[in-house]
Amino acid sequence: GQNIDQPTEMTATEGAIVQINCTYQTSGFNGLFWYQQHAGEAPTFLSYNVLDGLEEKGRFSSFLSRSKGYSYLLLKELQMKDSASYLCAVRDTDYKLSFGAGTTVTVRA
Amino acid sequence: IAGITQAPTSQILAAGRRMTLRCTQDMRHNAMYWYRQDLGLGLRLIHYSNTAGTTGKGEVPDGYSVSRANTDDFPLTLASAVPSQTSVYFCASSEEAGGPSEQFFGPGTRLTVL
Repeated sequence: GQNIDQPTEMTATEGAIVQINCTYQTSGFNGLFWYQQHAGEAPTFLSYNVLDGLEEKGRFSSFLSRSKGYSYLLLKELQMKDSASYLCAVRDTDYKLSFGAGTTVTVRA
Repeated sequence: IAGITQAPTSQILAAGRRMTLRCTQDMRHNAMYWYRQDLGLGLRLIHYSNTAGTTGKGEVPDGYSVSRANTDDFPLTLASAVPSQTSVYFCASSEEAGGPSEQFFGPGTRLTVL
């Protein structure tokens, strides 16, 4: 199984940078995903990492270190619309996803 | 519009009743999933199907059953609902079970069992 930890809440100012950390313990690793979920809506895909290193996609970047069981999601140039919950999810070798409880990010003007 | 749909949007159900949540996707994705989302616990996998005709158990399968008779549909059945099954249920699909295929989520079904 998977044990996935991420902070419950984070607050940042519009235009700033926020880093959301995710640590995991896994019996088998086959990729790490980040999803964004606005209140009352479905999760939407942000990023995928399977090899160590940084994946950049516009204002969002995700980093993975498999040896440390660690990932982070970096949100740059924060906008009000980035206020949402961010979910870290680890896929095992049976292709099943396990999600962390999510980090609620509040962006303030 | 291509995507994944769920029905009903919300439902209030008496304990002991049988209920089927419907999920349909028109993206010809091979893999489909059912999750429940509870406050503070995040999304938990109930059942999954890597391809039509096959299903598997997730983290919290007890009290739920699924079938995958064709590629598009993946219904979730609660045989005899209990209050602890009150939750928001999300169906998801992905092109393949592995690789970089991300999961696309339906809009969710809010279920209340009294």
